[in-house]
Amino acid sequence: AQKVTQAQTEISVVEKEDVTLDCVYETRDTTYYLFWYKQPPSGELVFLIRRNSFDEQNEISGRYSWNFQKSTSSFNFTITASQVVDSAVYFCALSGDNYGQNFVFGPGTRLSVLP
Amino acid sequence: DSGVTQTPKHLITATGQRVTLRCSPRSGDLSVYWYQQSLDQGLQFLIQYYNGEERAKGNILERFSAQQFPDLHSELNLSSLELGDSALYFCASSVGLAGDYEQYFGPGTRLTVT
Repeated sequence: AQKVTQAQTEISVVEKEDVTLDCVYETRDTTYYLFWYKQPPSGELVFLIRRNSFDEQNEISGRYSWNFQKSTSSFNFTITASQVVDSAVYFCALSGDNYGQNFVFGPGTRLSVLP
Repeated sequence: DSGVTQTPKHLITATGQRVTLRCSPRSGDLSVYWYQQSLDQGLQFLIQYYNGEERAKGNILERFSAQQFPDLHSELNLSSLELGDSALYFCASSVGLAGDYEQYFGPGTRLTVT
């Protein structure tokens, strides 16, 4: 069965620190998609990134970067020079080849960035 | 503003009742997705429609149903409501299928079943 583990329930950092949110997944599919979503205190959901299982290139978008390693079944998310506005709950998610197929969210990591 | 609208924002109803949640996708988006977020179950994917057709089903209960209309708006129908159905229901849309395209989320509908 598909499973996503986000072992860090809550993380607190001070502004400008770098922080990495861990995501470990389990799947028997050879083709799958991984996602990260952000839910700030206001409650809306924000899509951050998708990655398919054939693309192991790391991705950087501004202060955000993602490290996908199939060998360890991990898709970790790093925020560089964190800011107070980064405070949110971050969800990692896994889907089969067709979106929605065997779709599962992780439990989320609550990140608090303190000024 | 993501461009995705959801109505109503809040809904309070009693057990056993039926409600309809509405979602209007961004202009040009063909895919609509429904998610449920509750304290007990966390975030769950419910169902996806693409251009009027059901494409994928997640953890959607048989008491729940959805459809996407020709104008691409979607409705999620929840019937025989139970206390455990109290949750935040999100809708999202994308141009194509979410494996390849970015998703945009609506603000959610908070359903309270009393």
